[in-house]
Amino acid sequence: DAMVIQNPRYQVTQFGKPVTLSCSQTLNHNVMYWYQQKSSQAPKLLFHYYDKDFNNEADTPDNFQSRRPNTSFCFLDIRSPGLGDAAMYLCATSRVAGGTNEQFFGPGTRLTVL
Amino acid sequence: GDSVTQMEGPVTLSEEAFLTINCTYTATGYPSLFWYVQYPGEGLQLLLKATKADDKGSNKGFEATYRKETTSFHLEKGSVQVSDSAVYFCALSDRSGGYNKLIFGAGTRLAVHP
Repeated sequence: DAMVIQNPRYQVTQFGKPVTLSCSQTLNHNVMYWYQQKSSQAPKLLFHYYDKDFNNEADTPDNFQSRRPNTSFCFLDIRSPGLGDAAMYLCATSRVAGGTNEQFFGPGTRLTVL
Repeated sequence: GDSVTQMEGPVTLSEEAFLTINCTYTATGYPSLFWYVQYPGEGLQLLLKATKADDKGSNKGFEATYRKETTSFHLEKGSVQVSDSAVYFCALSDRSGGYNKLIFGAGTRLAVHP
């Protein structure tokens, strides 16, 4: 089945130690998104890629970066994680042309910062 | 800007009770509307969607009707089960700049007891 895959499902890192989360998709969608979701809150969009074009949300900290080496993969890099960055990180994809603007989500990576 | 407001939780029901979770939206354009469900420790799954006024989305016994006149998209189910316990997010998508930005409500936690 076509899907959005996130690895790892659980990631533990130390305060200030860089960490990379990965997302892959078999849907061949143009757009890939990264969301941060803290406990009992709605997902918050960090940034997205429209093909190779990177689009940062205005309030996303510089500590968060992203890479999309090809259509299928997208990475979230946290350069110096702080305790406040502990959260669930969700990857999503969508098709641009046609469709109903639906986004397809991966299962998420839960990040713990010690 | 666009926004989504949904009823605060938690909503606690007995099995087989009727469920309504209210959702209203503010949008300048003609958005698509969605309900996503998030089970504990997992990512978001699309529950149902509607793309234009008077459309009814339905899935797994859940229904919601896109009401443009009241700017609402209330979620209903006639008989809930324990397995429906989850957090439900109402969202709208307005295609801006060629991609599909989702704007979420704060989420409503549903707890169903036997």
